[in-house]
Amino acid sequence: QMQLEQSGAEVKKPGSSVKVSCKASGGTFSNNAISWVRQAPGQGLEWMGGIIPLFDSANYAQTFQGRVTITADQSTATAYMVLSSLTSEDTAVYYCARGSSVRFLAGDYYYTMDVWGQGTTVTVSS
Amino acid sequence: QSALTQPASVSGSLGQSITISCTGTSSDIGGYNYVSWYQQHPGKAPKLIIFEVDNRSSGIFSRFSGSKSGNTASLTISGLQPEDEADYYCGSKTRSMSRWVFGGGTKVTVL
Repeated sequence: QMQLEQSGAEVKKPGSSVKVSCKASGGTFSNNAISWVRQAPGQGLEWMGGIIPLFDSANYAQTFQGRVTITADQSTATAYMVLSSLTSEDTAVYYCARGSSVRFLAGDYYYTMDVWGQGTTVTVSS
Repeated sequence: QSALTQPASVSGSLGQSITISCTGTSSDIGGYNYVSWYQQHPGKAPKLIIFEVDNRSSGIFSRFSGSKSGNTASLTISGLQPEDEADYYCGSKTRSMSRWVFGGGTKVTVL
């Protein structure tokens, strides 16, 4: 059963960037998707973007377009999420999630987010 | 404000059944069978319980079931147990540039 291990908590200044990693073990990394989902304190879930490592193809939610970059290193089975121009509103727990049973239909990817990392707390504060 | 609408809280007695609704539009829930439900205990990561509307994830008890009618999806928990007390989130594929959307979450309390 695949497990996802995320990097540790971060404290960042407004205007800076944060990089969070997500290392997969115990399963096939490349032909699954990796999505990034965040949860602000006391709030719901928000999808940020995702990548299919096999195709090195990333797509992003419009809300984060231009501010988030998702990459994957197949050799280490690790995905990365970089969020730039941080503000206090980016304070949240950031999760990576495996997207399994990937299908490509009508120009878009479909999958099920079935395995989640433990979450990485990012605090943005001056 | 979340794209999908869920009730903020639902409660039920031990052993009772409850249903959580998740309302969207024809651009998300109504247009796709990629509707999932997640259970989240405090301080923990979300856990997949239902995928593609009505399929239980591996290891999930049969008391959890999902369904969809039009633009509304539902999660039913039959025979509530103390460990079912948690937050529940629905999620769906969407035609919008958000690509995937979630509900605001429903807190389930077992009385």
